Amino acid sequence: QVELQESGPGLVKPSETLSLTCSVSGASLTNYYWSWIRQPPGRGLEFIGHIYYSGGASYNSSLKSRVIISVDTSNNRFSIELTSVTAADTAVYFCARLRAGTTLFEYWGQGTLVTVSS
Amino acid sequence: DIQMTQSPSSLSASVGDRVTITCRASQGLNNALAWYQQKPGKAPKLLIHATSILESGVPSRFSGSASGTEFTLTIASLQPEDFATYYCQQYHGGPTFGQGTKLEIK
Repeated sequence: QVELQESGPGLVKPSETLSLTCSVSGASLTNYYWSWIRQPPGRGLEFIGHIYYSGGASYNSSLKSRVIISVDTSNNRFSIELTSVTAADTAVYFCARLRAGTTLFEYWGQGTLVTVSS
Repeated sequence: DIQMTQSPSSLSASVGDRVTITCRASQGLNNALAWYQQKPGKAPKLLIHATSILESGVPSRFSGSASGTEFTLTIASLQPEDFATYYCQQYHGGPTFGQGTKLEIK
């Protein structure tokens, strides 16, 4: 059973960097794409980006200048950094595994709420 | 980016009703359209991919169809566990989601 678990600070100050990690159990990162999606409170889903296990990343054009997704195969986890955050970045952040050969989000973490506030 | 316009944004219905939710894409998707179900406080769950293929374990009362760039999710006979928010997602280009449809009990 593939399980994903997000972790990281629940509160980030404006202009600082949001950093989250997704730990994966029940499967290796190998041969899959891994993704971050976010959902502002009471609103819809927004794709942030994804990364292949070997390191090639692709990002939503609206966030590309501020986001980096990285992978740590030794520890079977991947991470996101979002710089220069504002209140608009307040959201539940989900990590997910993409189905092989697609950008379908097949397995999801439970999500973690990150609030941007001073 | 491919834009997805989902309607309605909310829908009230009763157990046993037949409901439809629609997503219109800004361009052709070559059937690369999925539907997710999200319950409060939970992650979305993939229900349908490739427009009409049900995921394993998804009840047959759910179905998907398309006409050109308009995609439809139909629930044939609503059950209490179906009250949730539904999202479409295209995966023909960089993935984008519809705005969501909140299905509430009438």
